[in-house]
Amino acid sequence: QKEVEQNSGPLSVPEGAIASLNCTYSDRGSQSFFWYRQYSGKSPELIMSIYSNGDKEDGRFTAQLNKASQYVSLLIRDSQPSDSATYLCAVSGGSYIPTFGRGTSLIVHP
Amino acid sequence: EPEVTQTPSHQVTQMGQEVILHCVPISNHLYFYWYRQILGQKVEFLVSFYNNEISEKSEIFDDQFSVERPDGSNFTLKIRSTKLEDSAMYFCASKEAGSSNTGELFFGEGSRLTVL
Repeated sequence: QKEVEQNSGPLSVPEGAIASLNCTYSDRGSQSFFWYRQYSGKSPELIMSIYSNGDKEDGRFTAQLNKASQYVSLLIRDSQPSDSATYLCAVSGGSYIPTFGRGTSLIVHP
Repeated sequence: EPEVTQTPSHQVTQMGQEVILHCVPISNHLYFYWYRQILGQKVEFLVSFYNNEISEKSEIFDDQFSVERPDGSNFTLKIRSTKLEDSAMYFCASKEAGSSNTGELFFGEGSRLTVL
């Protein structure tokens, strides 16, 4: 059973701060890693994908991958109230079908 | 911007009734998926579809579920005899042709199914 674990939160950060979201996964054969954002009552929206160890930056978002530790993280710099949402970590292996974690609720307060 | 469209946005049905959820994937995408999300729980994989056949399905996707691509644009999920526990948001997703070795799925807005 492939598991993707996330702290459900909520993670509360002040506006302008860095939000750090973490995810661990159980399948060592996992190859692709994704962060989705889901607003309440809405569908998941892809923010970042990462496939190799290290950091990948896109605007205010940085994804970090450490395959040896089976760990993926997402940093959101200069957090805004509009970033308040649930962040879903998703991991896929040879079937290329993402398995989702339960998500971490992020609250950015003014 | 191209998007995955789903209808209906909300369907209420009686237990035991058949339900069909409709999806129009992004036009140049070849891989199609159904996921579901029970309220407050994680997004769960149901089934994937490629080249007019099911490529993979989860334990949730039992005999009461079926999928079809009846024409060149629609992708449907049928639940034959709904149960209370089928109440969930059902998401259709698609992936483009060139990304067979990645998992960058694009989701529709979902169809909320309420079984009474």
